[in-house]
Amino acid sequence: GQQVMQIPQYQHVQEGEDFTTYCNSSTTLSNIQWYKQRPGGHPVFLIQLVKSGEVKKQKRLTFQFGEAKKNSSLHITATQTTDVGTYFCAGSLYAGNNRKLIWGLGTSLAVNP
Amino acid sequence: NAGVTQTPKFQVLKTGQSMTLQCAQDMNHEYMSWYRQDPGMGLRLIHYSVGAGITDQGEVPNGYNVSRSTTEDFPLRLLSAAPSQTSVYFCASSYSTGAYTFGSGTRLTVV
Repeated sequence: GQQVMQIPQYQHVQEGEDFTTYCNSSTTLSNIQWYKQRPGGHPVFLIQLVKSGEVKKQKRLTFQFGEAKKNSSLHITATQTTDVGTYFCAGSLYAGNNRKLIWGLGTSLAVNP
Repeated sequence: NAGVTQTPKFQVLKTGQSMTLQCAQDMNHEYMSWYRQDPGMGLRLIHYSVGAGITDQGEVPNGYNVSRSTTEDFPLRLLSAAPSQTSVYFCASSYSTGAYTFGSGTRLTVV
């Protein structure tokens, strides 16, 4: 079946270092979403990418969607302790609706102050 | 407050008991979903609904039932609880092309 592989599974960084997580799909996606889940919390939507080659920025976070719409990345510049949590990507196969998302297993980020 | 409300937040069940996890949203979202989250397994879809009266199975539907009689409510029923159903359950809702809004979760332990 369709899968979205997310790497790495875990990442420990020193505060101020950069961090990147990658998602790779076995099939072309209609769009991809990114979520953040703080420890003990629930996933919170960060962004949705729709267009081939799209790049979006939110302050220190940069999101990219590959040209073939099969891969995506989230890059955090100069991590802070508030960035701690698990980052999930979720891809949609269906144009025009997100009724079923294919979720990556997440990358857990730990930041040492 | 607008959002997705899940109850209860915590529950302990004995094997074989049944219960209903409640989920309500006040954003008029068409789509609602139930996920379970286990360590190392990510989010797995149990059941979902694209509108009132319409439900469908996700990847791990066995042992769970759902119904969607109104746009706002999407309860999840555990028919006969098993220890393998110990998990954190999240309800989520969205518009057809939009972001998912998650509830705060129900932490279920089956002993």
